[in-house]
Amino acid sequence: SQKIEQNSEALNIQEGKTATLTCNYTNYSPAYLQWYRQDPGRGPVFLLLIRENEKEKRKERLKVTFDTTLKQSLFHITASQPADSATYLCALRGYIPTFGRGTSLIVHP
Amino acid sequence: EPEVTQTPSHQVTQMGQEVILRCVPISNHLYFYWYRQILGQKVEFLVSFYNNEISEKSEIFDDQFSVERPDGSNFTLKIRSTKLEDSAMYFCASSEGGIFQGAYNEKLFFGSGTQLSVL
Repeated sequence: SQKIEQNSEALNIQEGKTATLTCNYTNYSPAYLQWYRQDPGRGPVFLLLIRENEKEKRKERLKVTFDTTLKQSLFHITASQPADSATYLCALRGYIPTFGRGTSLIVHP
Repeated sequence: EPEVTQTPSHQVTQMGQEVILRCVPISNHLYFYWYRQILGQKVEFLVSFYNNEISEKSEIFDDQFSVERPDGSNFTLKIRSTKLEDSAMYFCASSEGGIFQGAYNEKLFFGSGTQLSVL
């Protein structure tokens, strides 16, 4: 069955550093991969989309890479700020939009 | 900016009771979804709805669940006889396009959720 894996352990980093979150998937060949942010008690909010023929996508301090050979996407936040603290979800868009469990990011001042 | 609205924000019910969760998707969106998230777990797909009918549903979406679009704006999720394990945050989402337009990349817009507690 299809599986999306994100590191379940929280990522703690210092303000100003780059945060890197990983999304691995199996038994799936998505044409698109999306990243969402979820704050406690709120619904996910769309951040970025990357297509299978794109290696990298950027938006302000965010960068996403997509390696279809490794079946992996990396999500980077540069110059991280405490306000970036949240859970970040990767989602595979196919017939059914399917989310990973998410990785909690905590940015310490 | 347009947003998906959900009511109520919290719902407490007794086991065996029926509940209806309400959502108003973004007005020009064509696809509607219900997801749920049990505390500390992942956002799980329940059902998608397009053109006034269910397009996909998960194993979770059994006979106790139903969805309806009773008018041009509301989208509802009904749980006929709630169980303790139905306690979760339920999210409604909508997207402008979807698979039937060949749009596998459409982003989902989520509401703030309804926290359902079954006692």
